[in-house]
Amino acid sequence: RKEVEQDPGPFNVPEGATVAFNCTYSNSASQSFFWYRQDCRKEPKLLMSVYSSGNEDGRFTAQLNRASQYISLLIRDSKLSDSATYLCVVNEGGRRALTFGSGTRLQVQP
Amino acid sequence: EAQVTQNPRYLITVTGKKLTVTCSQNMNHEYMSWYRQDPGLGLRQIYYSMNVEVTDKGDVPEGYKVSRKEKRNFPLILESPSPNQTSLYFCASTRTGSGETQYFGPGTRLLVL
Repeated sequence: RKEVEQDPGPFNVPEGATVAFNCTYSNSASQSFFWYRQDCRKEPKLLMSVYSSGNEDGRFTAQLNRASQYISLLIRDSKLSDSATYLCVVNEGGRRALTFGSGTRLQVQP
Repeated sequence: EAQVTQNPRYLITVTGKKLTVTCSQNMNHEYMSWYRQDPGLGLRQIYYSMNVEVTDKGDVPEGYKVSRKEKRNFPLILESPSPNQTSLYFCASTRTGSGETQYFGPGTRLLVL
């Protein structure tokens, strides 16, 4: 079983739509959580951290459910520029920094 | 400008010909990592280093070596590359490795024939 699992997609949505991604993680001792964005053939970049109380950054909302061990990302009012792969990332603690999901691809269409 | 640089960005080589991919960061970060990214598998950690002269295996270390003689540099060495090492490689650094933001290099696309 993968340590961090995501639906690979692709999610094809029209501009202006709201779209949500989920991610599950297997290690209940995981300590911190992130969403990274990766554009085609480019390096991953931090989109936002995910806090237990949930957090929002503009059109993006991230939530964490520790009991069920899943993380979500909600994107409102999708823009063409949101088209990318979204990586769910978990810090399991210990000496290794981060464990990455394989990503969910989003394609926003005009 | 804070950045992680990698060289080369693209490389085509043949089986068995030793190669080195360089990685350098200018942020005085202690923690550096190498990842490979393959379709459907996501980013998998190859090796990491918590500080100078301290390195350890990640999830997929076979066929790779690293060194950390200086804080800023963390080269990835393929002593005898094989076709299954064809991949997209990323170097990353973070201040302490405690789950803080990782900064990635631009990637090195390697093809081993």
